[in-house]
Amino acid sequence: DGGITQSPKYLFRKEGQNVTLSCEQNLNHDAMYWYRQDPGQGLRLIYYSQIVNDFQKGDIAEGYSVSREKKESFPLTVTSAQKNPTAFYLCASSISLTGPNEQFFGPGTRLTVL
Amino acid sequence: AQKITQTQPGMFVQEKEAVTLDCTYDTSDPSYGLFWYKQPSSGEMIFLIYQGSYDQQNATEGRYSLNFQKARKSANLVISASQLGDSAMYFCALRRSNYQLIWGAGTKLIIKP
Repeated sequence: DGGITQSPKYLFRKEGQNVTLSCEQNLNHDAMYWYRQDPGQGLRLIYYSQIVNDFQKGDIAEGYSVSREKKESFPLTVTSAQKNPTAFYLCASSISLTGPNEQFFGPGTRLTVL
Repeated sequence: AQKITQTQPGMFVQEKEAVTLDCTYDTSDPSYGLFWYKQPSSGEMIFLIYQGSYDQQNATEGRYSLNFQKARKSANLVISASQLGDSAMYFCALRRSNYQLIWGAGTKLIIKP
């Protein structure tokens, strides 16, 4: 079945360590996104990519980095520069960036920094 | 500034009743879109319905319909004949002119048997 996979589902890291969250899609979508969700809040956009080898900062990109070397993959690295990394991270994709295309989401990764 | 507001943090509704979840928005873009998503306790966001600002008719998808009042800048989600499985968080999102989405804080809906 087509969809988006994120791994791992739960991730624990010590403060000061970088950590990479995986996101893979087999929907043949051009656009991919990373969001952060904190309790009681809506989603906030971290980074997005319209096409392979291209990505743009969202509203809260500081302390995060991404790459888009393959159409199917859009990993997110949470660096030690991110001051409050504990959150729920959601990856999404859409057919394209433009138009009324809905975004399809993965199951999310819950990151806890100890 | 572009903004999405969901004023109902939580709602309790009796099973089989209809429910309306409120969403108001603020944008100066002439063309925009509004999405509704459902987030069960598992965490995954599920797309429900979309309304474009120039769509003449209110969007409908099965038991979901969108009560779009452009002049009032509201895009309320209506769920008819609610079911226990409808219990979840519901989010409204506004598509900006740069195609990014901004999200409301969500409404927690609990369906009572």
